Amino acid sequence: AQSVTQLGSHVSVSEGALVLLRCNYSSSVPPYLFWYVQYPNQGLQLLLKYTSAATLVKGINGFEAEFKKSETSFHLTKPSAHMSDAAEYFCAMGGSYIPTFGRGTSLIVHP
Amino acid sequence: SQTIHQWPATLVQPVGSPLSLECTVEGTSNPNLYWYRQAAGRGLQLLFYSVGIGQISSEVPQNLSASRPQDRQFILSSKKLLLSDSGFYLCAWSVRGAGQPQHFGDGTRLSIL
Repeated sequence: AQSVTQLGSHVSVSEGALVLLRCNYSSSVPPYLFWYVQYPNQGLQLLLKYTSAATLVKGINGFEAEFKKSETSFHLTKPSAHMSDAAEYFCAMGGSYIPTFGRGTSLIVHP
Repeated sequence: SQTIHQWPATLVQPVGSPLSLECTVEGTSNPNLYWYRQAAGRGLQLLFYSVGIGQISSEVPQNLSASRPQDRQFILSSKKLLLSDSGFYLCAWSVRGAGQPQHFGDGTRLSIL
């Protein structure tokens, strides 16, 4: 069965610090992987997607993620956090009809 | 370009009242459509998905139902709301095919009194 695990329900960083949000997946077939961001009282917005073309994927707002098959991971990073990055982040794995979502990680950015 | 509209943005309903939330997609044809619910501080719970007109799959048995009367219209309904139906409801669509990302509406905040 497919599953997505996001390590840490909350991650706190200082403005300007590195952001690292962790995502591990379990799949019996090569996965399609996504990161979404959700701001308060809004829907989810696609940050980036991995579709096997390149292991390092660049997304919007300066975020990127690296697919590591050996570690079954797809961690999201950003070199320098901004206050506007404070939001909920979801890792997801695509399926035929129904994607599998992680439980989300809340990113808190301190000034 | 494709857009998704979801309304209303907020809704306050008494226990036992009916519910109808509507979602429409523009700029695409034959989309997969989805209804999710988010309880406060929790992740996404898939309620229903549809791959075509009149085709509805339910993921969680409850007092909610969904319908797809037109290709790009998806409706979430209830005959009698429960307190536990409170939450943030999200509609989403995706292009058919493996590995396609989902595109979400802005959500409806439903409060049951």
